[in-house]
Amino acid sequence: AQSVTQLGSHVSVSEGALVLLRCNYSSSVPPYLFWYVQYPNQGLQLLLKYTSAATLVKGINGFEAEFKKSETSFHLTKPSAHMSDAAEYFCAVTLNTGNQFYFGTGTSLTVIP
Amino acid sequence: NAGVTQTPKFQVLKTGQSMTLQCAQDMNHNSMYWYRQDPGMGLRLIYYSASEGTTDKGEVPNGYNVSRLNKREFSLRLESAAPSQTSVYFCASTIGTGAWSDEQYFGPGTRLTVT
Repeated sequence: AQSVTQLGSHVSVSEGALVLLRCNYSSSVPPYLFWYVQYPNQGLQLLLKYTSAATLVKGINGFEAEFKKSETSFHLTKPSAHMSDAAEYFCAVTLNTGNQFYFGTGTSLTVIP
Repeated sequence: NAGVTQTPKFQVLKTGQSMTLQCAQDMNHNSMYWYRQDPGMGLRLIYYSASEGTTDKGEVPNGYNVSRLNKREFSLRLESAAPSQTSVYFCASTIGTGAWSDEQYFGPGTRLTVT
């Protein structure tokens, strides 16, 4: 069975500090991996996705994520947090052999001025 | 270009009542999805439609039915609402037909409370 684990339901960082949001998946076949962001009272928006091309994926708003097969991880990073980054972030996994999207439980990011 | 739209935005139902959540997309996408979002549980797939005329169950289909009315519209029906169905419901779409590497485009959500 497919699963996605996001470690840390709440993460706080100071403005200008490194953002690191963790995502691990379980899969017996190579997955497609996504990070989505949700601002308050809105739907989700795609930040970036991995689909078996380059393992380091760059997304919008300065975010990037690295696919590490050996660690089954796809952690999201941003070198310098901005106040506007405060939101809920979801990691998602899907397989080209299945018919399901699996979302993690989400990480709420707070940016402290 | 409105993207994915959902109606209503908010709804309160009594236990046992029925209602239909509406979703429409104007991006000529082939696949459409319904999710529910509950605190601490992320998003869970209820039903999806990989193409016009087809629908399939997702992770949590019990208590729901769907209709892919045409390529643009995908509705979710609660026949007899229960308090456990209190949630925020999101509709999404992707351009491909069962292409699971595609970006999903989400609507703004419907906040449903069942008392």
